[in-house]
Amino acid sequence: AQSVSQHNHHVILSEAASLELGCNYSYGGTVNLFWYVQYPGQHLQLLLKYFSGDPLVKGIKGFEAEFIKSKFSFNLRKPSVQWSDTAEYFCAVMGGANNLFFGTGTRLTVIP
Amino acid sequence: EAGVAQSPRYKIIEKRQSVAFWCNPISGHATLYWYQQILGQGPKLLIQFQNNGVVDDSQLPKDRFSAERLKGVDSTLKIQPAKLEDSAVYLCASSLATGVGTDTQYFGPGTRLTVL
Repeated sequence: AQSVSQHNHHVILSEAASLELGCNYSYGGTVNLFWYVQYPGQHLQLLLKYFSGDPLVKGIKGFEAEFIKSKFSFNLRKPSVQWSDTAEYFCAVMGGANNLFFGTGTRLTVIP
Repeated sequence: EAGVAQSPRYKIIEKRQSVAFWCNPISGHATLYWYQQILGQGPKLLIQFQNNGVVDDSQLPKDRFSAERLKGVDSTLKIQPAKLEDSAVYLCASSLATGVGTDTQYFGPGTRLTVL
């Protein structure tokens, strides 16, 4: 069965600090992975996605994620966070019918 | 390009009452999804439509939840009767359905339901 684990529930960082949010998945088929972000008061937006090819994926706003098959991981990174990155971040794996299985999310608070 | 539209944005009802949510997907998107997001959890798929046919409704509590997409465009999700544990945000998403594993889902703003 598909599942996603996000181990960090709430992360607090100062501006300019580096960010890494963990995501581990469980899925037996072809792996398609996503990171979505939800800014306060806004809807879920796609940050980046991995379908195949280069395991290092670059997304919007300076975010990137690395797919490591041997570790079943798809961690999200950003070298220097800004106050505007304060949001909730969701990792998801796509199932066989193109539906998404989400993790529980990680709330990021960036302190100016 | 207009995004996924949902209404109402907020709804408060008492338990045992009924409620309906509406979703208008992005124009041309064949696939439509309804997710339930309980506070502190990630979204969970309730039902998936491809045009006006159901692809997956295995997680839909069919004794109280129903959904339809009669003309393959708009969709409604209904709860009757509502229970306290139905308090959640109900998200609608749509995708082009261009091919397996290549679809990106676009989400609407959601409807926040509170059951008292």
